Amino acid sequence: EDQVTQSPEALRLQEGESSSLNCSYTVSGLRGLFWYRQDPGKGPEFLFTLYSAGEEKEKERLKATLTKKESFLHITAPKPEDSATYLCAVQDNTPLVFGKGTRLSVIA
Amino acid sequence: EAGVAQSPRYKIIEKRQSVAFWCNPISGHATLYWYQQILGQGPKLLIQFQNNGVVDDSQLPKDRFSAERLKGVDSTLKIQPAKLEDSAVYLCASSPGTGRSGELFFGEGSRLTVL
Repeated sequence: EDQVTQSPEALRLQEGESSSLNCSYTVSGLRGLFWYRQDPGKGPEFLFTLYSAGEEKEKERLKATLTKKESFLHITAPKPEDSATYLCAVQDNTPLVFGKGTRLSVIA
Repeated sequence: EAGVAQSPRYKIIEKRQSVAFWCNPISGHATLYWYQQILGQGPKLLIQFQNNGVVDDSQLPKDRFSAERLKGVDSTLKIQPAKLEDSAVYLCASSPGTGRSGELFFGEGSRLTVL
């Protein structure tokens, strides 16, 4: 059973059209949930860490939130440069486990 | 600050051949990771080093994969013999090891194609 499930697999938005990406997890004893951005041909780039339910983090047009079973990455008024794959990862007592990612395309 | 350096960026080999990848982490970072990312998947941890020592290699296929981190700085990942299913991007990452263990700094990766 996958410990981290991301949805949708792919998302296509018009510039300025806000939306959310979902990351659900099944690990117990969550020590941290992490969001990364990955551009084609590059390694993942760290965005946010969330540690407890109710926590929120913001960076430019991105806001990450956490509940007891899932996290959301909200994208407000996206621009074409926000196009990338967004990866979610969780950590309990084992090393990071990554989801498969959501491939976001923002069309001008 | 220089990032994580990896080489080569691309490698094409025949099955049953061997290949080696090199990684130089960010200066001062105690923890080094090797991840395997198959197309369309998230990165999967192969091995984690803390300074010179191995912290976790539970998902490393030890019959064909080996890794070392000499002097606690750079690292080499070797595959011998390669199989078709080893085609993937091999990502090296490092972290300061200060407790923020999920905040990793990744290199650009080494893309391996096994024919």
